[in-house]
Amino acid sequence: DIVMTQSPDSLAVSLGERATINCKSSQSVLYSSNNKNYLAWYQQKPGQPPKLLIYWASTRESGVPDRFSGSGSGTDFTLTISSLQAEDVAVYYCQQYYSTPLYSFGQGTKLEIK
Amino acid sequence: EVQLVQSGAEVKKPGESLKISCKGSGYSFTSYWIGWVRQMPGKGLEWMGIIYPGDSDTRYSPSFQGQVTISADKSISTAYLQWSSLKASDTAMYYCARHGASEVAGTVYYYGMDVWGQGTTVTVSS
Repeated sequence: DIVMTQSPDSLAVSLGERATINCKSSQSVLYSSNNKNYLAWYQQKPGQPPKLLIYWASTRESGVPDRFSGSGSGTDFTLTISSLQAEDVAVYYCQQYYSTPLYSFGQGTKLEIK
Repeated sequence: EVQLVQSGAEVKKPGESLKISCKGSGYSFTSYWIGWVRQMPGKGLEWMGIIYPGDSDTRYSPSFQGQVTISADKSISTAYLQWSSLKASDTAMYYCARHGASEVAGTVYYYGMDVWGQGTTVTVSS
């Protein structure tokens, strides 16, 4: 099974500053036949279901602000929020969908305002 | 509007059975994988398994294999998650979610979970 590890577990960033969350998979999630990384990022606010932000490691979901971006390939990935807004306070999760029967999530990173 | 609507909160006793539902609308229910995700109180997301309603192909996380049953009734665009004998440790929020899909050169690629239900709270207590 692929294990997803996020860092840090929590993060405090000032409004308008950059926030960076890392995600490492225990094996590559790059599918060589189509050159796609099977990695997604989600945002979950209190009392709400998760929301898809990024898929294929770097493709922004429709309606997601362009301050959110994803990068990385193989086993190392990053979610970047270029200029933190108050509404970005949430828990962020990465997920691999490369390998069934377990599309594992990372443990989550809690993002707060400094 | 594409949406998944889940059944309401449940309060059960240990040993009881339960089946919760997730009804899809606004899209072709049989053409997208539906997954179930558990979130225990104050904890992270755990992927439980998925089903393809078109042919009922089902995959389970090893952690949940044998503990729950995932099914679907495509005639009413509804997926289910059921337990035969609940435990206190099953107390959690359960979400269903659709895996998004894109077609490139005639091949469909499924990606992250793009549409989520509102969640069903299951409380198991004596």
